[in-house]
Amino acid sequence: DIQMTQSPASLSASLEEIVTITCQASQDIGNWLAWYQQKPGKSPQLLIYGATSLADGVPSRFSGSRSGTQYSLKISRLQVEDPGIYYCLQGYSAPFTFGSGTKLEIK
Amino acid sequence: QVNLQESGPGIVKPSQPLSVTCSVTGYSITTSYYYWNWIRKFSGNKLEWMGYISYDSSIYYNPSLKSRISITRDTSKNQFFLQLNTVTTEDTAVYYCARQLTGRDYFDYWGQGVMVTVSS
Repeated sequence: DIQMTQSPASLSASLEEIVTITCQASQDIGNWLAWYQQKPGKSPQLLIYGATSLADGVPSRFSGSRSGTQYSLKISRLQVEDPGIYYCLQGYSAPFTFGSGTKLEIK
Repeated sequence: QVNLQESGPGIVKPSQPLSVTCSVTGYSITTSYYYWNWIRKFSGNKLEWMGYISYDSSIYYNPSLKSRISITRDTSKNQFFLQLNTVTTEDTAVYYCARQLTGRDYFDYWGQGVMVTVSS
């Protein structure tokens, strides 16, 4: 199985601050990487697919990037509605695997 | 509008089978080239992909569950099903169904999830 190592596990940041979350894949997965946001009691919502493509309706302050087997999600200016748990997902090969999650809070 | 809705027993006793149904509206589960997945979330926030059944009824299970899991479907009702056998308390989780298109690295539509607790 492909392992996705996500960091940090938790993060507290101020409004308008830049936030970065990373996932390291255990092998080459190309651009087969998605990012999700999950809020309490809700299902995960797609933010980024193909490592860098913004999903429909997602604010442009969210962006994804890739460097080799390391993937990053950046929130350029943290907003009050952004707290939640963020996950990466590798869709390169089954069994599909998620990162362990990053809990983001407002400081 | 695509909508997925899980339904389940709420509580299951240890060693018994766990069964969850995903009812799909607004889209046929036999439409090429979609895959219909089961994913669960444990209390520590870990997400685990469990398996899928495809538009043409091919199936893939997570090897970690392979001996206990079964995914089936009823095309007349536009539903697909998860059965997990010989459950333990470690199977307590929120169970989600989700749709994926061939060649995509993501699940685009999810159900709201159903909590299943394994307890005697």
